[in-house]
Amino acid sequence: DMKVTQMPRYLIKRMGENVLLECGQDMSHETMYWYRQDPGLGLQLIYISYDVDSNSEGDIPKGYRVSRKKREHFSLILDSAKTNQTSVYFCASSYRNTEVFFGKGTRLTVV
Amino acid sequence: GQQVQQSPASLVLQEGENAELQCNFSTSLNSMQWFYQRPEGSLVSLFYNPSGTKQSGRLTSTTVIKERRSSLHISSSQITDSGTYLCAARGSALGRLHFGAGTQLIVIP
Repeated sequence: DMKVTQMPRYLIKRMGENVLLECGQDMSHETMYWYRQDPGLGLQLIYISYDVDSNSEGDIPKGYRVSRKKREHFSLILDSAKTNQTSVYFCASSYRNTEVFFGKGTRLTVV
Repeated sequence: GQQVQQSPASLVLQEGENAELQCNFSTSLNSMQWFYQRPEGSLVSLFYNPSGTKQSGRLTSTTVIKERRSSLHISSSQITDSGTYLCAARGSALGRLHFGAGTQLIVIP
């Protein structure tokens, strides 16, 4: 069963704390993505990864960094989280430029 | 301007009615994909449809690349079809998906 798994599903952090969002996929997809979704703004691309250690900024990379050390695993890191980073974060993967599969999302609240 | 435009923004149907959702995209995009976002937030891929027509149960997707449009037809709508439908197209550069703003569908008894 093809799957993109995100952990955790819900997270509450204090402003200034570091945040690690984890994503895994079992399809050997070389391309993985991190998006955030906010009301009225839709889905915005934060980072895209084309394979291990081959990452590119998306449209809103400021305040985020990523790590991809294994093909099946892609992490999103927020160093010193800010309240405006409260959002729903989605990880996704695809085989090259074909169908994209999304995880269930992580709802992050920064207080 | 916006590269992917969806219409309508919202739609209310009575159970059993059909719906046609539209997506128009700019010339630089292709590889249309339709998603359903459940009320609890998770995103489900409905169709990956770069061109032509695909059907799955009561859902049919048609993409006409030359006319820069794609549609999602829902027949005999059910209350459980309620949610947000998103279309997305991929740009050739960098492979990123560009999303439309979505159609919020509400199906009432």
